[in-house]
Amino acid sequence: AQKITQTQPGMFVQEKEAVTLDCTYDTSDPSYGLFWYKQPSSGEMIFLIYQGSYDQQNATEGRYSLNFQKARKSANLVISASQLGDSAMYFCAMREGQRNTGFQKLVFGTGTRLLVSP
Amino acid sequence: GAVVSQHPSRVICKSGTSVKIECRSLDFQATTMFWYRQFPKQSLMLMATSNEGSKATYEQGVEKDKFLINHASLTLSTLTVTSAHPEDSSFYICSARVGVGETQYFGPGTRLLVL
Repeated sequence: AQKITQTQPGMFVQEKEAVTLDCTYDTSDPSYGLFWYKQPSSGEMIFLIYQGSYDQQNATEGRYSLNFQKARKSANLVISASQLGDSAMYFCAMREGQRNTGFQKLVFGTGTRLLVSP
Repeated sequence: GAVVSQHPSRVICKSGTSVKIECRSLDFQATTMFWYRQFPKQSLMLMATSNEGSKATYEQGVEKDKFLINHASLTLSTLTVTSAHPEDSSFYICSARVGVGETQYFGPGTRLLVL
């Protein structure tokens, strides 16, 4: 069963607008971590934001915020004031395995391609 | 932030040869490194988890004799694709975890083309 679901293969947004990229997850573990990574055409994976399952508040990092709705098992990424340089693939990922051990690993969604237009 | 490098960035080799890819953590010690594979227009798939000083843990379906992983020091892990075939052509990307922290920091990736 797919553990991370990104239902939007592609999204378009105009420069300076906000955009939400959807991510839902499936786990029975009460302790988990959720991540968003950006992958530009060069291929590198750039860490954007992290949300722990026990975190009380939604994570924010500059223009990135994570809309964490635990009951719905969703962890949507919100990018405010989009810039042309935001055009890239965006991957949602979940940490599986015991935290603080050598056995944790990330499971990735299929990604959403974001295109920011002038 | 933590910096991870990979070398080479791209490599073309003949079928049957072996290729070694290096992953280094430049400004931190990484007790755990991860190797992923990404086919075009697809997501990252974990191949193996590498802990310094011990044998790598391979994911189901990944041949350990074909993809040799060595994590000899706290800053270096290597992936060797042995007897490479065209179907091994892919984007290989490593990541490193800072201590027991949550976040994995990724290298820039290596594009392998096997002719």
